[in-house]
Amino acid sequence: DQQVKQNSPSLSVQEGRISILNCDYTNSMFDYFLWYKKYPAEGPTFLISISSIKDKNEDGRFTVFLNKSAKHLSLHIVPSQPGDSAVYFCAAHGSSNTGKLIFGQGTTLQVKP
Amino acid sequence: DSGVTQTPKHLITATGQRVTLRCSPRSGDLSVYWYQQSLDQGLQFLIQYYNGEERAKGNILERFSAQQFPDLHSELNLSSLELGDSALYFCASSIGTGSVTDTQYFGPGTRLTVL
Repeated sequence: DQQVKQNSPSLSVQEGRISILNCDYTNSMFDYFLWYKKYPAEGPTFLISISSIKDKNEDGRFTVFLNKSAKHLSLHIVPSQPGDSAVYFCAAHGSSNTGKLIFGQGTTLQVKP
Repeated sequence: DSGVTQTPKHLITATGQRVTLRCSPRSGDLSVYWYQQSLDQGLQFLIQYYNGEERAKGNILERFSAQQFPDLHSELNLSSLELGDSALYFCASSIGTGSVTDTQYFGPGTRLTVL
């Protein structure tokens, strides 16, 4: 049972344009969400997070939006840069007192110069 | 460089064998996590240790076991290996017990291939 889903395996955008990566979840008890970025041959790196009490969190070029009623979150990257090309994983914090993270399958973003 | 080290980087072995993956957390981190990433899948949480004690367990097979030692490094033992165990195994560490604000830092992973 995939509780966190990223339905788009890949996304290609032009440099300077906006990249929008989407993520859906099924468990309404999830109250904290994260995005991780992964380059080849490296481990995932934390990018940005959002609590369920907010609907938006911004950090530089990266903004995460949360729509609790739709159980949907998205990551916006503006403007996109070639160095943003990587695999992006959405994750939900699965438990309040442990560090269990539940990841989506990932979306490969390619930013073309 | 996240500060989390994993050895070996690559491991090739045969079905039925047993292997040990090693993880050294960032200096000062007390929690260690293990995740498995199979082909085209997201990372699956296996287990968390905090200061030597098991803190949380995910979908970890009975053939797999882990421990965290007094120096806080951790080992993941995989036995009676099957072809389906071929995957990337990531270790992560964090300072605390894994609360929502306790960022997990990932190592580069160990790629296990079972032939």
